Amino acid sequence: SQKIEQNSEALNIQEGKTATLTCNYTNYSPAYLQWYRQDPGRGPVFLLLIRENEKEKRKERLKVTFDTTLKQSLFHITASQPADSATYLCAPPSAGNNRKLIWGLGTSLGVNP
Amino acid sequence: NAGVTQTPKFRILKIGQSMTLQCTQDMNHNYMYWYRQDPGMGLKLIYYSVGAGITDKGEVPNGYNVSRSTTEDFPLRLELAAPSQTSVYFCASSPGTGGTQYFGPGTRLLVL
Repeated sequence: SQKIEQNSEALNIQEGKTATLTCNYTNYSPAYLQWYRQDPGRGPVFLLLIRENEKEKRKERLKVTFDTTLKQSLFHITASQPADSATYLCAPPSAGNNRKLIWGLGTSLGVNP
Repeated sequence: NAGVTQTPKFRILKIGQSMTLQCTQDMNHNYMYWYRQDPGMGLKLIYYSVGAGITDKGEVPNGYNVSRSTTEDFPLRLELAAPSQTSVYFCASSPGTGGTQYFGPGTRLLVL
């Protein structure tokens, strides 16, 4: 069955560095993938969507890549700030029913000043 | 434009009690979703709806019921609350297939 895996361990980096988060998927090929940010006690907030025919997408300090050969999406935050500390979730559509998203467990990012 | 609103913010229920979690969106979105999120865990889909009068089960529907009589509202009903239903419940809406999901602030439920 389809599976989404994100770095299970928290990532801690120094302010100003680039954070790179990984999302791997197995057993299917999604047509697109969404990335969300979730702060403690709050609902997820949409950040970026990347389609299978797009290798890279950018929005301000955020960049997402989508490698359909490796079955992997990378999420980068450049010039990281303490305010970027949150959990980041990747969410491709469910195989066979694209009305639903499949949610990864998320990777917790901590940016230290 | 309030987006997605949920009430109540927090509720304590006794085992066996029932309650309805309210969800309303003002974006005229066709799709609406109910998720639960346990501490340190991912989002699990309970039910979803692709339009008024149409609902479908997600991964964890047991113990819950939904209805969708209008585009704006998608209430979630808990019958005979159990401790296993202690969780944070999020409602979300989306304009359609492949669309961004917009989440409400969540309802924290404690069943004792």
